[in-house]
Amino acid sequence: EAGVVQSPRYKIIEKKQPVAFWCNPISGHNTLYWYLQNLGQGPELLIRYENEEAVDDSQLPKDRFSAERLKGVDSTLKIQPAELGDSAVYLCASSQNARGRGSIGELFFGEGSRLTVL
Amino acid sequence: AQSVTQLGSHVSVSEGALVLLRCNYSSSVPPYLFWYVQYPNQGLQLLLKYTSAATLVKGINGFEAEFKKSETSFHLTKPSAHMSDAAEYFCAVRRGNQFYFGTGTSLTVIP
Repeated sequence: EAGVVQSPRYKIIEKKQPVAFWCNPISGHNTLYWYLQNLGQGPELLIRYENEEAVDDSQLPKDRFSAERLKGVDSTLKIQPAELGDSAVYLCASSQNARGRGSIGELFFGEGSRLTVL
Repeated sequence: AQSVTQLGSHVSVSEGALVLLRCNYSSSVPPYLFWYVQYPNQGLQLLLKYTSAATLVKGINGFEAEFKKSETSFHLTKPSAHMSDAAEYFCAVRRGNQFYFGTGTSLTVIP
C-alpha cells in the first residue's frame, strides 16, 4: 500500500515569493492534515480536512496561507507571499475515520516538504 | 486543554543499554496515546499506540510502552539500544480528531 506522498521534498525561495506544496493521502483516508514543524519542535496543526471540507483551520494564517482539497483526495497548501519565518517543514498526514481492524484513526505522515525562505 | 509533556529534550544512552523516554499526558479520561519516531529528513512513523485494550503495548523495532493511569504516563522503553535507534521521538495524544504532540526527545546512541 502506498503511503502519503508529498512534493516537493525541498524548496528554496526568496522572501515574498509564492510557494505551493502538494499532498496525496493514503487511498481511502477521509481525513487529511497539514502540519507545520519548526526545528526541534513537534508538529503543529495548520488545517484539517474531512473529505473536501476544511473542518479545522483555526491555526492557519489566512492572510498568507491557503489550502484546498478538491474532490476530497489530493491537497495543496500555498503560501503567498512567503516570509523568512515560514522556513520550516510542512508535513501532510492522513487517517481513516472507520474504526476496526485495529485502526483508531492514527496518523500516517508523508516525508514532509522542507521550505527555506531566504 | 489536552497536552502532552515529554521530559528531557535530549537523551543519550550507550549501545546495548536500556532506553527510557518519558511522556505524561493531562487528561481526566484515558485518551488514545501514540509514540512516533522521526529519522532525519523524514516524516513521522508510528511506533506504537495505546487503545485501552492492554496497558503494556508492544511496537515496532523492539519498543514498548506502558500506560499508567495513576501516573498519567506513557513512557517508551527498549531493553537494548541499537545505533539505528538514534532519532527524534514524539509522544502524542488524540481527542476526537485532534492530535496533540509533545516537543520531542532526541535520542543519541553512543557506540
